[in-house]
Amino acid sequence: EAEVAQSPRYKITEKSQAVAFWCDPISGHATLYWYRQILGQGPELLVQFQDESVVDDSQLPKDRFSAERLKGVDSTLKIQPAELGDSAMYLCASSFLGDTEAFFGQGTRLTVV
Amino acid sequence: DAKTTQPTSMDCAEGRAANLPCNHSTISGNEYVYWYRQIHSQGPQYIIHGLKNNETNEMASLIITEDRKSSTLILPHATLRDTAVYYCIAHGGSQGNLIFGKGTKLSVKP
Repeated sequence: EAEVAQSPRYKITEKSQAVAFWCDPISGHATLYWYRQILGQGPELLVQFQDESVVDDSQLPKDRFSAERLKGVDSTLKIQPAELGDSAMYLCASSFLGDTEAFFGQGTRLTVV
Repeated sequence: DAKTTQPTSMDCAEGRAANLPCNHSTISGNEYVYWYRQIHSQGPQYIIHGLKNNETNEMASLIITEDRKSSTLILPHATLRDTAVYYCIAHGGSQGNLIFGKGTKLSVKP
């Protein structure tokens, strides 16, 4: 069964350092989402791509976060510099179209120390 | 996308049906009702979705009221492995965002 792949699964970084997460969506899925989930809360959308274009990045803290999906396939989310408050689970999801069911990866658990 | 309202938590006895309600009174005509669940430390898992008609799959049934202002997710025979946070989302349109609320924490007890 096709899955959304994310790496790494766990990441510990010191504050002010740069960190990057990678996501490989299910083949053929045009829509890709990045979410952040703080413990005890629901996932919060950071950015949504349709192919290589950003559809919504209104909740992405653009002073320190960046996301790209250069060839419309896999995607990278970067944080520079990391802050203590960035400690969270970062989830990637993909869907065939923006209005169809989304499939999520296992996430990357980030701890900033 | 329309906002949804769910109870914070619910309990269910193992083997009994779990009925999870969701209010979406501002849902628009082109928005579907989606249900996802998240088991601890895993990514959310798609369960089911519907527009107007009731839907059933191997995981659950979705009952949508005629006015589409509310819905109920039914797990017919809950097991301990169904303990999770369940999210109800009103989502539609190719540019629509998949917005999660806080969901309902379902605890299935032996």
